[in-house]
Parts: sequence; C-alpha cells; structure tokens
Amino acid sequence: AQSVTQLDSHVSVSEGTPVLLRCNYSSSYSPSLFWYVQHPNKGLQLLLKYTSAATLVKGINGFEAEFKKSETSFHLTKPSAHMSDAAEYFCVVTPPLGGTYKYIFGTGTRLKVLA
Amino acid sequence: DTGVSQNPRHKITKRGQNVTFRCDPISEHNRLYWYRQTLGQGPEFLTYFQNEAQLEKSRLLSDRFSAERPKGSFSTLEIQRTEQGDSAMYLCASSLGGRAMNTEAFFGQGTRLTVV
Repeated sequence: AQSVTQLDSHVSVSEGTPVLLRCNYSSSYSPSLFWYVQHPNKGLQLLLKYTSAATLVKGINGFEAEFKKSETSFHLTKPSAHMSDAAEYFCVVTPPLGGTYKYIFGTGTRLKVLA
Repeated sequence: DTGVSQNPRHKITKRGQNVTFRCDPISEHNRLYWYRQTLGQGPEFLTYFQNEAQLEKSRLLSDRFSAERPKGSFSTLEIQRTEQGDSAMYLCASSLGGRAMNTEAFFGQGTRLTVV
C-alpha cells in the first residue's frame, strides 16, 4: 500500500524568506511523486514531479524538491517566498509503471505568506 | 481552452435528488480520473478509466454512484438519491499514458456539490 504524510497542515513564512513544506511517503515500490498547488477557486496545478530520474527536481515558480529514498521524503522548497505563493499544497504519490495509476494525495499544507 | 473542463461548476440539490456531472478531458488523453475533495482534505480517488474501460473503483464509490465514459472521451458521474454527506468538490483529471508512461494528471476546476 502507498501513502503520503504531509507533516504540517499550516505553514507561515514572511515574504522573501525560504519555504519548506514537508512530505514523507510510504511505498512498497519506487514511486512517482508529485507536488500540486491549489489556489482558491482554481484547479490543481502541477508544480513538479519525480519519476526516478534526477533526485533533485526543479519545478515552476522557483520551487524544487529532493527525493531522498533513505528518508522516504520529498520535501518542497523555495528560496524566497512571494505573496502569490499563498495556497494549499499537496504531495502526491502514485504507483510505478504497471500500477493502477491512481493518485494518492496527502492532506495538504496551507501556506501563508506574511508581508 | 484545451484543459480539462467540468460542468456544472456549482450544483445545489435537495437531498434525495439525482445529479449528474460532466467532464471533458484533454482530447488526446486516454486516462480519466474522478476524485472527491471535502473541506480541509486532499482529493480522494473515486474511479479511473483507461479509454472507455472503468478499471478501478474506490470503496468510497457506493452503489449510488456511477461513472461512465461511453466513447472514451467525455465522462459523466451520477449520484442517485443524494445525501448531505455527498456535499463536496468533485474533481476530474486526465492524463496520457501507456505501458511505458506514467505522466502527470491535469485537473479540472471541479464541480462543487451542495446537498441541502
């Protein structure tokens, strides 16, 4: 069985300071991992994905995440927060090729950016 | 617009009524998913289609729920005899995939259902 745990339900940072959103996964196989962002009244948007290539993945809007197998983690980071980053962020795991392809979402982390 | 389209965006219905939602995926995508998202939670998987075949259904999908994708293009999700607990955002997503591919899913903006 696969699952993801987002360790913080809410994170607050000041504009211009680093962002760290934590995600740990559980998987019997080498998974594919994603981060999605959801702005109010907007659809889910893919930030970045890991599919067993480079362990450091760069995404849109300056976000990146590092896959650490030894720690079963896929934390999302950004060097400098912007007001527009305020949103809900979801870590997602999906089985590797040949699986059922369904996405398993974490419970989300709401990021607040303070001026 | 070539994204995933869902209709209606909002639906208010009385308890006991039937509702149907429609999803139009990105045209070349062969995989289609339905998810349900309640307030403060991440989306939960409901069902998945590969072309017109429904390959997996979650235990969340009670017998009051049915989904179809008759020609492998658009899909409908019907809820019969709605209950207040069905109130949620229903999300549709699509992706392109085959045996050698497992690409990201693109999500629609969802249909928000309120059962009163």
